[in-house]
Amino acid sequence: EDKVVQSPLSLVVHEGDTVTLNCSYEVTNFRSLLWYKQEKKAPTFLFMLTSSGIEKKSGRLSSILDKKELSSILNITATQTGDSAIYLCAVPGGSNYKLTFGKGTLLTVNP
Amino acid sequence: NAGVTQTPKFQVLKTGQSMTLQCAQDMNHNSMYWYRQDPGMGLRLIYYSASEGTTDKGEVPNGYNVSRLNKREFSLRLESAAPSQTSVYFCASRKTDVNTEAFFGQGTRLTVV
Repeated sequence: EDKVVQSPLSLVVHEGDTVTLNCSYEVTNFRSLLWYKQEKKAPTFLFMLTSSGIEKKSGRLSSILDKKELSSILNITATQTGDSAIYLCAVPGGSNYKLTFGKGTLLTVNP
Repeated sequence: NAGVTQTPKFQVLKTGQSMTLQCAQDMNHNSMYWYRQDPGMGLRLIYYSASEGTTDKGEVPNGYNVSRLNKREFSLRLESAAPSQTSVYFCASRKTDVNTEAFFGQGTRLTVV
């Protein structure tokens, strides 16, 4: 059975801090790993990592895939209160149809 | 460009009532999904449909049925609602012949009293 485990489940930081969120996975025939940000509504897509694209960066957010360790990290530098959200990680199953999410990390950035 | 459209946005049901949540996508995606989200539980997969005419169970299918009516539409039915089905429901779609992300509807907040 496909498994996606995120840690920590919640995190409280101060504005300006750097945070690292973790996602580990167990799937057959790994194809990709997806990161999403969820504020009050539907999740919004951040990054997709694949065997041919193991690092992605956008502004203060960056993500790396470690295929040996079957994991990924999402880094946010110089956090702002607007970064407060649930961050979700998802991995498609071996057939690429089933999409399994982790429980998410609730990040709270205090001013 | 509408993307993924879910209806209704909010619903209150009494225990034992039935209802159908509707989802439609206009991106020509082959795969569609229904998730539920409860506090601290992330997104849990209820059912998914790899392509028109096929459906498969996810992690939490009990108490739900689905229909993939055509390529665009994927509905979720609660035959006899229970308070444990109080949740936020999200529909999503994805193109799966290549590595791509999933696109989500805006969610349905369902309360069963």
